[in-house]
Amino acid sequence: QVQPVESGGEVKRPGASVKLSCKASGYTLTSYGVHWVRQAPGQSLEWMGWIKAADGNTKYSQKFQDRVTISIDTSATTAYLELSSLRSEDTAVYFCARGDRWVGHSWGQGALVTVSS
Amino acid sequence: DIQLTQSPYFLSASVGDRVTLTCRASQGIGGYLAWYQQKPGKAPNLLIKDASTLQSGVPARFSGSGSGTEFTLTISSLQPEDFATYYCQQLYEYPLTFGGGTKVQIK
Repeated sequence: QVQPVESGGEVKRPGASVKLSCKASGYTLTSYGVHWVRQAPGQSLEWMGWIKAADGNTKYSQKFQDRVTISIDTSATTAYLELSSLRSEDTAVYFCARGDRWVGHSWGQGALVTVSS
Repeated sequence: DIQLTQSPYFLSASVGDRVTLTCRASQGIGGYLAWYQQKPGKAPNLLIKDASTLQSGVPARFSGSGSGTEFTLTISSLQPEDFATYYCQQLYEYPLTFGGGTKVQIK
């Protein structure tokens, strides 16, 4: 199936960082962009940022601007989300989605990040 | 940031019913709205982009309309597999934002 495959979800201590991976499966990463969207338990969806895989151009939500880095390793056909200074409110399922600048056409299965002391 | 308000928050309906979900934007966004369906424990699935463009593979019983600040998603005849939560998302400007969702449950 043509969809991203995510990995890297785990339990983290407050103040730590987490790096999630989003690997292209069945398509060429550089032909698309990648969105990162998170969903806290029982909550709606929250957009974090987007990267254009072809040139690494990024857009971030200002809410996460100081703590998030989205990057691309085109040789590994993988996109990454790194979130630093984790707090309990960052506990969520993190989705990556292949898409254009505006929507996610094909979503990964999600990676659960739990922030707990 | 553009706020999206979905109503109702919860909708109880029967198989075969026609249902209409609403999404209101805090400012005009033209026709730049998408709708997603999400089932429990699963990722969202894009149904409609640009207010009314049905995505490939999405059944024709789904339709979208609206522009400016008010948008609707209509399911013409609800099927068992349609019971899910539906989210709208604006494509007008960054940061992209989502509505709070409408949960459609079986009556």
